[in-house]
Amino acid sequence: GQSLEQPSEVTAVEGAIVQINCTYQTSGFYGLSWYQQHDGGAPTFLSYNGLDGLEETGRFSSFLSRSDSYGYLLLQELQMKDSASYFCAVRGTGGFKTIFGAGTRLFVKA
Amino acid sequence: NAGVTQTPKFQVLKTGQSMTLQCAQDMNHEYMSWYRQDPGMGLRLIHYSVGAGITDQGEVPNGYNVSRSTTEDFPLRLLSAAPSQTSVYFCASSYSGSETQYFGPGTRLLVL
Repeated sequence: GQSLEQPSEVTAVEGAIVQINCTYQTSGFYGLSWYQQHDGGAPTFLSYNGLDGLEETGRFSSFLSRSDSYGYLLLQELQMKDSASYFCAVRGTGGFKTIFGAGTRLFVKA
Repeated sequence: NAGVTQTPKFQVLKTGQSMTLQCAQDMNHEYMSWYRQDPGMGLRLIHYSVGAGITDQGEVPNGYNVSRSTTEDFPLRLLSAAPSQTSVYFCASSYSGSETQYFGPGTRLLVL
């Protein structure tokens, strides 16, 4: 089977850096994706790691270690608008079944 | 482009009623999926399709049917609604070989 673990919530201060971790267990593995979802909205794609290492997109970076079945999303220079839920997701080999974690609720305080 | 559209935005059903949730995309994406989202449980895959005429089950397919007669449309049918199907339903699409899924705005379903 497949499962993902991520913290249920994280709180940080505006302007700070926050890291959201994700560990996964899958039968086969293509890569790790991250999505952002604001309250009442739809998930939107943030980043994807298919290979080990760091991917940077503006203030957001994502990291993957396939040997550790672990990844994280790093948010820098936090802004109030970053308050949202963040989901990691994996797609295992053998199909197009994408499995999402339960999500991490990020609260950014002034 | 409108992207991924879903109708209705909100629906109330009585137990035992049937209905169809509509999903359409105008990006010529091969892959389309249906998810349900319940509090604290993230997104769970119901059914997905890799192209017109091809569908497969996800994690939680029971009580739902899908079909894919065109590339653009991927309706989700609830055969006999149950209170356990109260949820927010999201449709998503992507190009084959791409990990980027584009989500519709969602349908909020309440089954009484």
